[in-house]
Amino acid sequence: GAGVSQTPSNKVTEKGKYVELRCDPISGHTALYWYRQSLGQGPEFLIYFQGTGAADDSGLPNDRFFAVRPEGSVSTLKIQRTERGDSAVYLCASSRGGRGTTDTQYFGPGTRLTVL
Amino acid sequence: AQKITQTQPGMFVQEKEAVTLDCTYDTSDQSYGLFWYKQPSSGEMIFLIYQGSYDEQNATEGRYSLNFQKARKSANLVISASQLGDSAMYFCAMTPSGGYQKVTFGTGTKLQVIP
Repeated sequence: GAGVSQTPSNKVTEKGKYVELRCDPISGHTALYWYRQSLGQGPEFLIYFQGTGAADDSGLPNDRFFAVRPEGSVSTLKIQRTERGDSAVYLCASSRGGRGTTDTQYFGPGTRLTVL
Repeated sequence: AQKITQTQPGMFVQEKEAVTLDCTYDTSDQSYGLFWYKQPSSGEMIFLIYQGSYDEQNATEGRYSLNFQKARKSANLVISASQLGDSAMYFCAMTPSGGYQKVTFGTGTKLQVIP
């Protein structure tokens, strides 16, 4: 079966521009996560969706970052007024979901964002 | 809050030898899960192995085994019979159980397998 897919694989933009990053989870997975990985670091949690709702957005660095998952499947991470410090690999993961269990998260290949 | 510590930034191992990658963790949760992921140069995070905090047996998956020592709060990854394709970054990670699974990652260990 298909894994998690992310588009685009690479995105180069200019400071101040708006970008959208897309994540297509594994079919049937209700939980979806966004992480950001800076060079030489482990991924850092941004936001978690259970179904359509954002269950935890505590990792979003500021209000320039926003994510949606309107139909409970595909998710879009939106970054307004990009800054050079936003440059990183943005990883998406999905899992079966369900409270009271420990799900394995399966990751996509990531989107490498470069802000010039 | 949960914290993962990986103290080995880089490791070398001879092909066909075994290697242990260290991981210690800190959490106030009674129930939690521990994971190891592999990240090759292509960038994708590949799930390797999972250990639940209440599992009595150490987890094994093929050539991977997790040496879980709960009292020491350590969850070391052992790779047996190393292969050239094992060269990658390896991340130890953990989640709380009984709720959503926000994963906390360590800083990673870069493993290089020498022919």
